[in-house]
Amino acid sequence: KAGVTQTPRYLIKTRGQQVTLSCSPISGHRSVSWYQQTPGQGLQFLFEYFSETQRNKGNFPGRFSGRQFSNSRSEMNVSTLELGDSALYLCASSGGGDPYNEQFFGPGTRLTVL
Amino acid sequence: AQSVAQPEDQVNVAEGNPLTVKCTYSVSGNPYLFWYVQYPNRGLQFLLKYITGDNLVKGSYGFEAEFNKSQTSFHLKKPSALVSDSALYFCAVRAFSGTYKYIFGTGTRLKVLA
Repeated sequence: KAGVTQTPRYLIKTRGQQVTLSCSPISGHRSVSWYQQTPGQGLQFLFEYFSETQRNKGNFPGRFSGRQFSNSRSEMNVSTLELGDSALYLCASSGGGDPYNEQFFGPGTRLTVL
Repeated sequence: AQSVAQPEDQVNVAEGNPLTVKCTYSVSGNPYLFWYVQYPNRGLQFLLKYITGDNLVKGSYGFEAEFNKSQTSFHLKKPSALVSDSALYFCAVRAFSGTYKYIFGTGTRLKVLA
């Protein structure tokens, strides 16, 4: 089974721009979660989608948004980029139905905001 | 509020010695507990989880973890460390508090010295 894939792997943007990141979960997985990883803050939960519906949301500003498509692929969008948005963005998928399912992570997208 | 604490930023251990990476949690309900490992420039990999039942959980690569309800801890252990175990380790908890969010600890860097 193919793992979780994320595209692109690296991005460089300037302040004020917007960016869209993509995540393809493991086949059959219906839950997709997004995380922001920074050296200072660790792993911060952004949101979780399950069957095209946002099921959970972290404490991030409205500039961060996401969606999930009928094939479970997910996108995350960040508008009006700030320098502090520079981070590794990780996507994770799971079977979804039960809260004790472990997550499978993609390699991440490294976003640099200049 | 739910939280996870990993009190040590870094743990150093000699190869062949036993290792322990500490994790404590604070949740309002029954927790589901997880350990993940992150190797350089890669996403997180699932190691093991506690759902219910036996307090000693065995996982991948010879790791195990002990759930202690009275101390609200879920420490990761391995009887004999390998240099290849050097990585960043994350403890995570999931418990119901309106929704089932994943809460991650800040991570502990394990360095196994040859």
